[in-house]
Formats: sequence, structure tokens, C-alpha cells
Amino acid sequence: DAGITQSPRYKITETGRQVTLMCHQTWSHSYMFWYRQDLGHGLRLIYYSAAADITDKGEVPDGYVVSRSKTENFPLTLESATRSQTSVYFCASNQGADSTIEAFFGQGTRLTVV
Amino acid sequence: GNSVTQMEGPVTLSEEAFLTINCTYTATGYPSLFWYVQYPGEGLQLLLKATKADDKGSNKGFEATYRKETTSFHLEKGSVQVSDSAVYFCQTSGSRLTFGEGTQLTVNP
Repeated sequence: DAGITQSPRYKITETGRQVTLMCHQTWSHSYMFWYRQDLGHGLRLIYYSAAADITDKGEVPDGYVVSRSKTENFPLTLESATRSQTSVYFCASNQGADSTIEAFFGQGTRLTVV
Repeated sequence: GNSVTQMEGPVTLSEEAFLTINCTYTATGYPSLFWYVQYPGEGLQLLLKATKADDKGSNKGFEATYRKETTSFHLEKGSVQVSDSAVYFCQTSGSRLTFGEGTQLTVNP
């Protein structure tokens, strides 16, 4: 099916563990993004990628690592999870910086760090 | 970089009331402007957009006009329904997809 999918939808992990959130899109969009959404903070950009092997930091990159070896995948890794990283994470993609076409969002991953 | 300022929420209205959610932006050049809606437990989805000055985007009874002179893209609906209860985000195009803070709308019957 065409679209953007995130996995898992829900994850509970312990403090200090490494966890990876997956994001896959089928449109071959050049740009991909990771956001976290917390009550009272709207959407905060963690990392984004303009193309395979090109990534850049957003507003809140500390504690996160990304990679983009293939255009369609953009995994987000929490190297050593902390309770402050409990959040809902959204992946998005679009065609480019000046695109008149909207971004497309995944359904989100609800991560709880205990 | 681009920035978006969105009116603070939450907003609570009665059914059939008029809705306005303000959005102003700063940007270099002429960005495209978007409104997204987020229903509980879901990701954001496009509500409407405008790609050049004076364009009006519309969808599901919602409208917004791209005003270059006031750098605004206010969202309006003449008569809201309970099913419109959601969070609304304004966004400008650009390499980082700049979003406003989001406005929680609750519509009571």
C-alpha cells in the first residue's frame, strides 16, 4: 500500500535501553522528518533528511540518532532512553523544501520510557 | 528561517458557532501555506492549502486566504460541528516544515 508507515505503534522501554523507531514511505519523497509531540509543545523537529545519506539536526536532536541509507527509510534511534523522551513520535515526508504539495504523516509511535 | 505564530488555544465553541484561528508567518520568498488537522490518536492530515498570494484554500467548509500584505493565513469556518473537534496546525513550506504550536478546538453540542 502506498503511504508512510511507522512501527511500532506503541512501545514501552526501560531507562537506558536503546530503541529504534522505524519509518517507511513508498512515494520516493526526497525529504523525511522526525517530530515529537508533547502536551503544550506542539510539534518539535528532531531531525530531518533532504536525501539519502544527508541528515540534519532540528530543534531537539540531543539523545537521538538517525540514518538514511535508503530513500524510503528513515529510522530514529534513542541511544539510551530517558523518561524525558516519553512522547508521541511522528515521521513525515514531502517532495522538497519549496514544495507546493503537502507533507504526509505517519500514524505516530507512542513511546513510554519507564 | 521561516516561522509561524498561531493563536493560542484551547478554543471551545458551541455547535454552529463561527470559528477563526489566526496564523501569521515570517518567511523569505513566497512560501506555500498549509492547514493541517489532527484527530485524537492520529497523525496530521492536510485540511487545505494555498500556494500563492490571494489564493483561497477551502475544504469541508473551512477556508483560509493567503494574505501577503499581512503575512497571514487565518482559518475560518462559518458553522462548526462537534466532529470538527481536533487540533489544527498552520505550516509554511521550507526545508524544515515550520509549524505553529497547534490550536485545540473543542465543539460542544
